[in-house]
Amino acid sequence: EVQLVESGGGLVQPGGSLRLSCAVSGFSISDHYMDWVRQAPGKGLEWVGRSRNKANGYTKEYAASVRGRFTLSRDDSKNTLYLHMNSLANEDTAVYYCARGTSNWGEGLDPWGQGTLVTVSS
Amino acid sequence: IQLTQSPSSLSASVGDRVTITCRASQGISNYLAWYQQKPGKAPKLLIHAASTLQSGVPSRFSGSGSGTDFILTISSLQPEDFAAYFCQQINSYPLTFGGGTKVQI
Repeated sequence: EVQLVESGGGLVQPGGSLRLSCAVSGFSISDHYMDWVRQAPGKGLEWVGRSRNKANGYTKEYAASVRGRFTLSRDDSKNTLYLHMNSLANEDTAVYYCARGTSNWGEGLDPWGQGTLVTVSS
Repeated sequence: IQLTQSPSSLSASVGDRVTITCRASQGISNYLAWYQQKPGKAPKLLIHAASTLQSGVPSRFSGSGSGTDFILTISSLQPEDFAAYFCQQINSYPLTFGGGTKVQI
């Protein structure tokens, strides 16, 4: 069974750091693009970033709102994706989802994890 | 690329035909996906490549369009379809989502 499980969310002060994890079972992340998407409370979806697969050199893309503050990494041996978040601000408060992407343009994200809540507040 | 969804919300009844539009600020060929999200749950992929139904998604859902204008149609609304719907362009980075459409009873 394919499953993505996020963890690591919680309450953090402005300016702080946090690392989210996305543990995957049912497929090998080394073969797949992996994305992070976030959703602020009561708001829409915002794409955060993408980690390409091994065949594409593990290169990454980021949304402008997080570039320079957030970093994607992965540990293929643990089949786990990470989102390292620094210099957190109130507007980073959101549920963070990981999802499987694809190298084919036009194909969507599927499946998704259940999400982990990050709250940035003093 | 900005995606504008309309309407932002709508009220409908079981059995109604519902259409949601998504307009891109520039041409994106057919590189568009549609998602359904129920309260407290993760989004679920319904349609990719503008009109290809994801495996397991009921045939009452359909997508159409190319270039800048896209439509998601639910041919006969069912009780389990009351949810939020989002479009996403997968044509260029940064990937972007539409603002969402909430389908209410």
